[in-house]
Amino acid sequence: GAVVSQHPSRVICKSGTSVKIECRSLDFQATTMFWYRQFPKQSLMLMATSNEGSKATYEQGVEKDKFLINHASLTLSTLTVTSAHPEDSSFYICSARQTGLGLRHYNEQFFGPGTRLTVL
Amino acid sequence: DQQVKQNSPSLSVQEGRISILNCDYTNSMFDYFLWYKKYPAEGPTFLISISSIKDKNEDGRFTVFLNKSAKHLSLHIVPSQPGDSAVYFCAASSGSARQLTFGSGTQLTVLP
Repeated sequence: GAVVSQHPSRVICKSGTSVKIECRSLDFQATTMFWYRQFPKQSLMLMATSNEGSKATYEQGVEKDKFLINHASLTLSTLTVTSAHPEDSSFYICSARQTGLGLRHYNEQFFGPGTRLTVL
Repeated sequence: DQQVKQNSPSLSVQEGRISILNCDYTNSMFDYFLWYKKYPAEGPTFLISISSIKDKNEDGRFTVFLNKSAKHLSLHIVPSQPGDSAVYFCAASSGSARQLTFGSGTQLTVLP
């Protein structure tokens, strides 16, 4: 259990276009999902926290108008990189928080496989 | 400023021996700590966690030790296997939001 998928796994786009990345929790409901980005050989940096049915909370320095997050259901959150530029090229990873009593990994985050974005 | 630090970017260990990965933190509000394993171009995989009310948690070959007074935790892998070769991240969380703050990772290489 506790599987999180991301789509697409890899995307190449031209500068100025928008790219949407989907994050799904496949076998559990996730009221909270997180979006991270990782630069080569660096740590995962939290971009925003996404709560189902409400606006996302962005970390300092992350432009909310550039990185649009929608968490429309308990199993799906989307990240849209608007007007992408080469500096947005990165590895984007989502995670979903599994909540509930009696679970082995109560309140753990389970990560998707990531999406490699390359902006030309 | 980095609230979670992994000072060793890499570690090499012989197969069958113990691997010890270290992590230090500065924020005394952290109350839950986790270790993740990550392969290139994949998302992190949860390994083991520990609450701040404990000082040790064991799961198979993996044991996490927490020293709150030193703000230090470590992950022990015994015995190490070549398949354990990956980047290991420690992470810490606090508060109801349970956001994770990650260290910079340690590349473990287990030599056959």
